[in-house]
Amino acid sequence: DAGVIQSPRHEVTEMGQEVTLRCKPISGHDYLFWYRQTMMQGLELLVYFNNKAVMDDSGMPKDRFSAKMPNASFSTLKIQPSEPRDSAVYFCASIPGRARVTNTGELFFGEGSRLTVL
Amino acid sequence: AQKITQTQPGMFVQEKEAVTLDCTYDTSDPSYGLFWYKQPSSGEMIFLIYQGSYDQQNATEGRYSLNFQKARKSANLVISASQLGDSAMYFCAMRDYRDDKIIFGKGTRLHILP
Repeated sequence: DAGVIQSPRHEVTEMGQEVTLRCKPISGHDYLFWYRQTMMQGLELLVYFNNKAVMDDSGMPKDRFSAKMPNASFSTLKIQPSEPRDSAVYFCASIPGRARVTNTGELFFGEGSRLTVL
Repeated sequence: AQKITQTQPGMFVQEKEAVTLDCTYDTSDPSYGLFWYKQPSSGEMIFLIYQGSYDQQNATEGRYSLNFQKARKSANLVISASQLGDSAMYFCAMRDYRDDKIIFGKGTRLHILP
């Protein structure tokens, strides 16, 4: 089975531009998480979904960030307008729902999207 | 509120020595899971070990063991006989089974010296 797929892998943009990061979770996984990794803050949880519904987006700056999951196989994280402080690696990860857990419940991560805002 | 604390930003350890990476957590939910992940310089996240809050015994996976002290709310990772390939960033994480939220600590960068 294919893993979590993120795109783009790298993005360089200028301050003020709109950025869209995309994620395809593992088929059958009910939960999808977006994390931001920076040197100072480690891995911060921005938002997570269960069956396409937002469960918690308290870690996401609401004024410029938005996250959507229009269907079970696709999610986007949008930043508009982007700022230099948004430069980070953004990870998407997924896990199965409780009824389908056959392992310890660890996250399956994508390879990350490295964003640089100039 | 849930919280994960890793107090060691960086560590230097001699090859073949044992290493303990600290992790403390805070949650009001009695049902949770604790995880450790390794992130080498290539950037991918590698799952290492899991401990459930109701597990009676400490988890072990090869050279990795999790020293789980529930009363102290600590979940330290122990790496026995460290190797050069263990040099990486290590993250402690917690999954709250009430809402399945998963949060991470800030990480510890481990350097193994030859």
